[in-house]
Order: sequence, then structure tokens, then C-alpha cells
Amino acid sequence: DTGVSQDPRHKITKRGQNVTFRCDPISEHNRLYWYRQTLGQGPEFLTYFQNEAQLEKSRLLSDRFSAERPKGSFSTLEIQRTEQGDSAMYLCASSLETANYGYTFGSGTRLTVV
Amino acid sequence: AQTVTQSQPEMSVQEAETVTLSCTYDTSESNYYLFWYKQPPSRQMILVIRQEAYKQQNATENRFSVNFQKAAKSFSLKISDSQLGDTAMYFCAFPPLGNNDMRFGAGTRLTVKP
Repeated sequence: DTGVSQDPRHKITKRGQNVTFRCDPISEHNRLYWYRQTLGQGPEFLTYFQNEAQLEKSRLLSDRFSAERPKGSFSTLEIQRTEQGDSAMYLCASSLETANYGYTFGSGTRLTVV
Repeated sequence: AQTVTQSQPEMSVQEAETVTLSCTYDTSESNYYLFWYKQPPSRQMILVIRQEAYKQQNATENRFSVNFQKAAKSFSLKISDSQLGDTAMYFCAFPPLGNNDMRFGAGTRLTVKP
């Protein structure tokens, strides 16, 4: 197992376009999390999955954002009609059972909206 | 409110010296877990150390140790014999009520100088 993988590493898109990011967690981890991190700040929680079920969504996750985790394996995060304010690092993490075990993070996808 | 506060945006230390990073948190729970994560420049976030609140003994991991003061809701990280590779952003974090996700502080940027 190579840890948590995220693809792409970098994405530059024009305002108004849709983008989709992928995350492959550690295979035995039940939980998968998405966070957003802006420059010089700590990660902010967006949403998490327990297997294939999306159990919680932050208020930061507007209607333009959608996440899926089909079959409880990899996950995708889609942003529709991107805005400049969406520019950030999008981090994926996974954990065994609950967050009390700690997270394993991916390298992140850096989104730049121009 | 379940919050995490890191009051030191930036710190620096000479190589081989000791530095302490501060963190305070707010929770109404009696049993919980606390974490320090390290995010090197342009690299992924990794877990440094984990503390269980019901354990009085402070956690240690090689050169990294914590000073956990439960009554004061304080959780500081001590780095001994600082190395150039310790240069990174350091985030204090804990899972709030329900253990569903991790809340992060704003981070402390540590620079180790040769």
C-alpha cells in the first residue's frame, strides 16, 4: 500500500469551469475525509465518508461542491462553476474507524482558478 | 465550541536547540485524543505525535514530546535537538464531539536555522 493518493497534484482552471479531483485512500481505512487548506491556514473540514456513506458535510461545502465514494473505495470531489475563491489546496485523508486513530493524508490537489 | 488555538504564527530555533510550540483547545468532553501534525514545505502532512486525554503520561516520539495539561486544556509540543528537516508548519488538532472529523489550529511556522 502506497498511502493516500490524490490526483491531479495541480489543477489550473478558468472561472466557471467544472473540476473533479480523485482520492485513493489506504485500502483498509473505512473513513475518508476531504479538507480545504488556504495559504498559511490550517485545514478546514469539508466532508467525510464511512465506507460509501457520506455522513457529514460542512457548511463550507456549498451546492457547487459534491463528493462521492462509490463502493467505499476511492472518492471524487467535484466543484461546479468554479470561482476564484475556490483556489486552495484540497486535502484528502483516511483513517481506520474514527478520527481518534489519526489521519493519513494525501499530498493534496492544488487548485488555481483564474 | 470545539476550537483549537495556536497563538504563535511563526517561530525559529537554532539547530540542535529545543523549541516548544503552544496549543490550547476547548472541549466539554472528558476523554478525547490530541494530535500534532507536521507539514513540510510543499510536502504532505504527517502525524508527529498522539496523546490520549485519559492518560496522565505525556506522549513521546524520539525527539518529539508533549506537555499535556488537561485542566488548563493545553497541549504543547517540544522538539529537542532541532534539525533542519524539522522546518515545517506544525498543526495542533483534535476530533471534537462524535469523533467524526479533526479540527485543526491555524498552525505555527517553524524555521530551524543552521
